[in-house]
Amino acid sequence: RKEVEQDPGPFNVPEGATVAFNCTYSNSASQSFFWYRQDCRKEPKLLMSVYSSGNEDGRFTAQLNRASQYISLLIRDSKLSDSATYLCVVNVGTGRRALTFGSGTRLQVQP
Amino acid sequence: GAGVSQSPSNKVTEKGKDVELRCDPISGHTALYWYRQRLGQGLEFLIYFQGNSAPDKSGLPSDRFSAERTGESVSTLTIQRTQQEDSAVYLCASSFLAGQETQYFGPGTRLLVL
Repeated sequence: RKEVEQDPGPFNVPEGATVAFNCTYSNSASQSFFWYRQDCRKEPKLLMSVYSSGNEDGRFTAQLNRASQYISLLIRDSKLSDSATYLCVVNVGTGRRALTFGSGTRLQVQP
Repeated sequence: GAGVSQSPSNKVTEKGKDVELRCDPISGHTALYWYRQRLGQGLEFLIYFQGNSAPDKSGLPSDRFSAERTGESVSTLTIQRTQQEDSAVYLCASSFLAGQETQYFGPGTRLLVL
């Protein structure tokens, strides 16, 4: 089982739609969670951290479910500019202190 | 302020040649990471440096890959005797502290091995 798993998509949605992505992680000791965004042929950039109580940043809402070991990202009122690959990122605990990246979920918002 | 920079931005080389990729992290960032991303794939961790501690090399795919970092500054990733399967984008990231902190990525070096 991969340490971090995501549905690769693509998710094709019309402008204005609400779309949600889930990501599961295997290490229950994971401590930090993030969503990164990667545009085509660009480097990943932090979209938002994911806090235990859930957090919102404008049209984006992130949730963490430790019991089921998944995090989610909800995008409301999708814009064309939201089209990108969304990477789920998890710190897999002690030892190797690098973040583990999921393979990403591709979102295509259509006019 | 300046972000993470990498050079060269693109590199085309012949199979069997050695290549060196450079990363300049954000000033003051103690942690530096190298990742590899093959076309259409996710990020693959290669190596991580934290201050003066011994680097975590657990992600290096073979002994043809090595990396160095001078103090808390520049890092060089070296691939010896390149193979076609080494073709990928090599991304460098830095963070103020390891693990918990946001990683800031450079634009990457696109390596093509012919």
